[in-house]
Amino acid sequence: GIQVEQSPPDLILQEGANSTLRCNFSDSVNNLQWFHQNPWGQLINLFYIPSGTKQNGRLSATTVATERYSLLYISSSQTTDSGVYFCAVSNSNSGYALNFGKGTSLLVTP
Amino acid sequence: NAGVTQTPKFRVLKTGQSMTLLCAQDMNHEYMYWYRQDPGMGLRLIHYSVGEGTTAKGEVPDGYNVSRLKKQNFLLGLESAAPSQTSVYFCASTPRLQETQYFGPGTRLLVL
Repeated sequence: GIQVEQSPPDLILQEGANSTLRCNFSDSVNNLQWFHQNPWGQLINLFYIPSGTKQNGRLSATTVATERYSLLYISSSQTTDSGVYFCAVSNSNSGYALNFGKGTSLLVTP
Repeated sequence: NAGVTQTPKFRVLKTGQSMTLLCAQDMNHEYMYWYRQDPGMGLRLIHYSVGEGTTAKGEVPDGYNVSRLKKQNFLLGLESAAPSQTSVYFCASTPRLQETQYFGPGTRLLVL
């Protein structure tokens, strides 16, 4: 399957700080999603972004498909942003099932 | 519109027992997936279905079986549970390929 590497693995921020999370992948993809897993374990869709740039409030994401990476930007972080952020990708080789990275664990302190 | 629901939310089994996890979606989605998540890991695909009556193996299918008799339901079975199957199980669905996958809330399974 497609290899997905996320960095950094862990991140601690003070409230109000900005951060960039990175996702590298080993093959061409038709689908790339960013998720936030909250402390209760729920997976929340953030972006569907196989290419280009999208913004949603304080979050934005950019995928450069030709260079096989995606970036998730979090601005003015809040304690509620804490949790694990996953990047997941897919292509036609596995029925478009998502291949997940191991995630970036984010802790935002007051 | 409940989205993707999973039953049960939590279960404890003894080694060798069997059980079935139910995933239901009310969005008329064609594609459905079962994943498992182990501590410190991302999700790994167990089995998937590209339509009613079809199933296929994913990355970690051993010890599991699935069925998709109705479009809205995707069942995951454990015939003889093992401690290595202790995990959190997530179901997902999507209407078409190359679109957002929507996830259920998860089922926590503990096998003693």
